[in-house]
Amino acid sequence: DGGITQSPKYLFRKEGQNVTLSCEQNLNHDAMYWYRQDPGQGLRLIYYSQIVNDFQKGDIAEGYSVSREKKESFPLTVTSAQKNPTAFYLCASTDPGQGAHGANVLTFGAGSRLTVL
Amino acid sequence: LAKTTQPISMDSYEGQEVNITCSHNNIATNDYITWYQQFPSQGPRFIIQGYKTKVTNEVASLFIPADRKSSTLSLPRVSLSDTAVYYCLVGDVRTGTASKLTFGTGTRLQVTL
Repeated sequence: DGGITQSPKYLFRKEGQNVTLSCEQNLNHDAMYWYRQDPGQGLRLIYYSQIVNDFQKGDIAEGYSVSREKKESFPLTVTSAQKNPTAFYLCASTDPGQGAHGANVLTFGAGSRLTVL
Repeated sequence: LAKTTQPISMDSYEGQEVNITCSHNNIATNDYITWYQQFPSQGPRFIIQGYKTKVTNEVASLFIPADRKSSTLSLPRVSLSDTAVYYCLVGDVRTGTASKLTFGTGTRLQVTL
């Protein structure tokens, strides 16, 4: 079955460490997104990518970095510059080439929960 | 980019119809309206999408007035399992363009017996 795989599901980080969250999709989608969700809050956009080797900052990109070397993969690095990284991170993808139903219909992964010790 | 506004929370009894309204006053011509449902510690999942008038599927209906400045998600006869957070998303759907898809705060629906 096609879908999005995020790993790890749970991650603990010491202050000052960089960590990388993995996001892999086998849906052949061009566009991929990273969101952050804090307890009881909505989703905030970190970065998104329209195509390989291209990505755009979202609303809260500071302290994060991404790469898009392959269509299937969009890893997110939480750097030590992110002062409050404890959150639930969600990766998603869409297929803008499918018109309305493709462009706005995000498929999400199961999420990665990051805790800073 | 169209900003969305929803009620923070709603309560309902099981078996009732629930209507959740989303305001998007500056919606653009190329924008479609999409609704998602999210359970705790899971990613949101697609419920329904529309551009204008009414759309219905097996789980919900979506009502969009002519001016498209708002939309209403209607859930018929809710059950306890419909307790979740519901988000409306407004985004550009020009073919081949991935837009900056930004979620609002969502509406937390609590269904009780």
